[in-house]
Amino acid sequence: DSGVTQTPKHLITATGQRVTLRCSPRSGDLSVYWYQQSLDQGLQFLIQYYNGEERAKGNILERFSAQQFPDLHSELNLSSLELGDSALYFCASSGWMNTEAFFGQGTRLTVV
Amino acid sequence: GDSVTQMEGPVTLSEEAFLTINCTYTATGYPSLFWYVQYPGEGLQLLLKATKADDKGSNKGFEATYRKETTSFHLEKGSVQVSDSAVYFCALSDTRGNTPLVFGKGTRLSVIA
Repeated sequence: DSGVTQTPKHLITATGQRVTLRCSPRSGDLSVYWYQQSLDQGLQFLIQYYNGEERAKGNILERFSAQQFPDLHSELNLSSLELGDSALYFCASSGWMNTEAFFGQGTRLTVV
Repeated sequence: GDSVTQMEGPVTLSEEAFLTINCTYTATGYPSLFWYVQYPGEGLQLLLKATKADDKGSNKGFEATYRKETTSFHLEKGSVQVSDSAVYFCALSDTRGNTPLVFGKGTRLSVIA
């Protein structure tokens, strides 16, 4: 158990809809990262938050947004969903001066 | 920007065979290097890491040595087991810490009895 919790584990929704994925980092970790894993694209970094502030941005679509709350949990919001957004979405966290990140079990999103 | 290239799979081996998965990187400065493993239906788990040149990371019989001169971090195991079947990811991060990991595309390993 990595200590990173993601909910829900599975999500099925229709095109055009909006969903929210939730992540609770390891106790004490200030950084949260979101990654998308699809079959043909591998692991793509989306966005990082550090202690409530956006710190780094990767290949995140404008339809996607994220935030980190004062209790350090994070949410990834995906809107106007398309079939191509179907993927595994992982959250990871790291602590002060940690170079490695610890991953949650992921949320499998299926857009139909 | 920084990047990681790892050998494409899938790789299929018989039990007790020797495993090598190649990984090379491109980075400015001196990154930290990692191998992560993803078992079916699970998230990524850190398998081993090395933070400076010539460091050897090891765990569960797996080893990888940080080779600055060849910018490589190849994963090896002397005798694989069926339970090692998984997808293996090579990754790097900036030594400052708290920066996003850059991943290779992953190599799927299947070990048959």
